[in-house]
Amino acid sequence: KNEVEQSPQNLTAQEGEFITINCSYSVGISALHWLQQHPGGGIVSLFMLSSGKKKHGRLIATINIQEKHSSLHITASHPRDSAVYICAVSPISKLIFGTGTRLQVFP
Amino acid sequence: DAMVIQNPRYQVTQFGKPVTLSCSQTLNHNVMYWYQQKSSQAPKLLFHYYDKDFNNEADTPDNFQSRRPNTSFCFLDIRSPGLGDAAMYLCATSRPGDSYEQYFGPGTRLTVT
Repeated sequence: KNEVEQSPQNLTAQEGEFITINCSYSVGISALHWLQQHPGGGIVSLFMLSSGKKKHGRLIATINIQEKHSSLHITASHPRDSAVYICAVSPISKLIFGTGTRLQVFP
Repeated sequence: DAMVIQNPRYQVTQFGKPVTLSCSQTLNHNVMYWYQQKSSQAPKLLFHYYDKDFNNEADTPDNFQSRRPNTSFCFLDIRSPGLGDAAMYLCATSRPGDSYEQYFGPGTRLTVT
């Protein structure tokens, strides 16, 4: 079993829909990261969380440390949100990556 | 703007011909990482430097080497590239005081012919 599990693996949505991606982990962590990667592109860090909730524009990330679970929400989704979203955790200095969620948003 | 820069963005090399990928950062971060990412897979950590201390992952092939001559620069050397080494190579940096939040470069896509 992977130490970081994401669901769903693939997600399609119509423009404007509310999207949720889930991440569960089984190790102790100092922080959880949500990353975005567009096709053929580099990785951009969206959020780093150690507790509670963070919001940036249309993106919201939450974490429940006791349940070892995090969610990434996208409100009013747009085709430019189409990308792979990766959950990663950092026990210390290294990242343990989830397998990613491929999101496609259609106009 | 402070950033992580990787050159070149695309690199083509021949089977067995040594190749060097470079990464530079203006963030003055202590830690620099090299990842290999193959299609539809998560990045795989090859090694990382904490200042000058080199940390190799146990399953990183000997074919992969790295150099960090100073804080700003880090190089990935592939001594004898094979077809299986074709991948995206990502450099990242972090600083302990930021809970090791990692800042990624745009990556170098390596093709081996």
